[in-house]
Amino acid sequence: NAGVTQTPKFQVLKTGQSMTLQCAQDMNHNSMYWYRQDPGMGLRLIYYSASEGTTDKGEVPNGYNVSRLNKREFSLRLESAAPSQTSVYFCASSVTLATYEQYFGPGTRLTVT
Amino acid sequence: ELKVEQNPLFLSMQEGKNYTIYCNYSTTSDRLYWYRQDPGKSLESLFVLLSNGAVKQEGRLMASLDTKARLSTLHITAAVHDLSATYFCAVDIFKLVFGAGTILRVKS
Repeated sequence: NAGVTQTPKFQVLKTGQSMTLQCAQDMNHNSMYWYRQDPGMGLRLIYYSASEGTTDKGEVPNGYNVSRLNKREFSLRLESAAPSQTSVYFCASSVTLATYEQYFGPGTRLTVT
Repeated sequence: ELKVEQNPLFLSMQEGKNYTIYCNYSTTSDRLYWYRQDPGKSLESLFVLLSNGAVKQEGRLMASLDTKARLSTLHITAAVHDLSATYFCAVDIFKLVFGAGTILRVKS
């Protein structure tokens, strides 16, 4: 039981490049989330998926897209990376949207130059 | 828009001392969580507080929730070096809104 896994762990992009961050959970959770963490700002919600087939914007969705590929997998895509997207990205999951606990993946450290 | 404010943002304390971290939030919610994050690591759930007056304790940490005051506290008793980490509170409005985090350094 791996919990929530994310790939890659580290990535360096040049401005304008695109990439997809992958997230998978093996806990049979319905809801999944993408956050970014910047120094001094805590975690901010980018997008979430309440259940398979649905996605919704969070607090800071601009510049990102997501895909809920199936119940296990939730990907985050940067179409044209910008230096402002340099951050640590965390994926999380929970049983349902209204469930009390979210479980977090190990994070992806992204640098855009 | 929900705002979650933690203070202090940085806390340096001696081993053996007591201290409290505060988490204030701006809208009604009766669900609040505390997480711990070690440098370069992910978030680990510490406490889940689900109602007014909820109090949870684990080792040297105790968390409480006052929904009327929109305030949660994380109390540290007789701090030890292993408690050095960043602590986040997060308020649940069907999405988590996090505070900025409190960096705790316990000096031996």
